[in-house]
Amino acid sequence: GAGVSQSPSNKVTEKGKDVELRCDPISGHTALYWYRQSLGQGLEFLIYFQGNSAPDKSGLPSDRFSAERTGGSVSTLTIQRTQQEDSAVYLCASSPRGGRATDTQYFGPGTRLTVL
Amino acid sequence: AQKITQTQPGMFVQEKEAVTLDCTYDTSDPSYGLFWYKQPSSGEMIFLIYQGSYDQQNATEGRYSLNFQKARKSANLVISASQLGDSAMYFCAMREAVAGNNRLAFGKGNQVVVIP
Repeated sequence: GAGVSQSPSNKVTEKGKDVELRCDPISGHTALYWYRQSLGQGLEFLIYFQGNSAPDKSGLPSDRFSAERTGGSVSTLTIQRTQQEDSAVYLCASSPRGGRATDTQYFGPGTRLTVL
Repeated sequence: AQKITQTQPGMFVQEKEAVTLDCTYDTSDPSYGLFWYKQPSSGEMIFLIYQGSYDQQNATEGRYSLNFQKARKSANLVISASQLGDSAMYFCAMREAVAGNNRLAFGKGNQVVVIP
């Protein structure tokens, strides 16, 4: 079946602009995760959605970052007033369930964001 | 504090040889899951193998096996019969089962280059 898909695959923006990144999880997966991968910081957790529960936003680096998940499926990560340090690859993952250490997370191809 | 440590420098491996990638972890939680992912130059994070903290047997998946030494807190990945397509970055990750933890903690990765 189809894996996790993300769009766009690449995004170049100017400092100060807002960007939206999209994630479409594997069909039937209830848990969805966003991570950021940058050269200096490695892979960092950003946010987690599970069903209709309140999201775990503990990894968001600032209030310029927000995410939503509509209808328990597609998720959008929004970065407002982008800064150069936001340049990174943004990875989305999903798992069949959430909340357990055994849940394998399946990743999408990522969106490479470059802020000029 | 770093939860996952991967300290090996980049490795060159002869095709058809086996390679071991080191991973040590730090946790006080008795219940956790350990994961290995492969990230080729295309950027997608590909799940390889999972080991649960209570599993009695070392995990195996095709050419991948995990040398799990719980007392030493190590979970080394062994790739047997290396192929050119195994050239990639390899990440070790852990998810602790503590309530409210929804994130994978990743190591910095090991670079592997398979040479013919």
